[in-house]
Amino acid sequence: QKEVEQDPGPLSVPEGAIVSLNCTYSNSAFQYFMWYRQYSRKGPELLMYTYSSGNKEDGRFTAQVDKSSKYISLFIRDSQPSDSATYLCALENQAGTALIFGKGTTLSVSS
Amino acid sequence: DAGITQSPRHKVTETGTPVTLRCHQTENHRYMYWYRQDPGHGLRLIHYSYGVKDTDKGEVSDGYSVSRSKTEDFLLTLESATSSQTSVYFCAIHGGGTTGELFFGEGSRLTVL
Repeated sequence: QKEVEQDPGPLSVPEGAIVSLNCTYSNSAFQYFMWYRQYSRKGPELLMYTYSSGNKEDGRFTAQVDKSSKYISLFIRDSQPSDSATYLCALENQAGTALIFGKGTTLSVSS
Repeated sequence: DAGITQSPRHKVTETGTPVTLRCHQTENHRYMYWYRQDPGHGLRLIHYSYGVKDTDKGEVSDGYSVSRSKTEDFLLTLESATSSQTSVYFCAIHGGGTTGELFFGEGSRLTVL
């Protein structure tokens, strides 16, 4: 089993929809959880991070971590065409030396 | 702008030739990374460095070597390129905070024919 599993999609939604992106992980020792956004032909950039369990909100984006289920989610409210990108979940490895990434989910928001 | 420059941005080469990708940072950060990104595999760690002359292997290090003789430069070398090394290579630096945030370069697209 891979350390991080993420459905690659693609996912297509109309403008204004609520989007739910998810990852599961295998190692209960992970503590830092992140979501990166990557536009086409660009490098990934950090969107949100969460420490341990709970929710974190930033504008239209909410990151959620459920450590009991080893499940992390990113919700996008009122999705916009500018949200069209690949979203990657990432976890910090146990040694704290690198990030382990999911495969990424490609999202397309149509106007 | 995290001050990361990758070169070359695009390269086409032939099987068996050596290739070196360069990552240059202006931030003086200690940790630097090389990842590769492929369809169906996402981002996978090749090697990373935690200081000058200090490097360690990642998940997919076979066929790659790295060197870091200066804080600002981290080189990735393919001694004898193979078609399976056709990929987009990203350099990243650790932001220095407690969250483990990485800042990525724009990527180097390598095609091995």
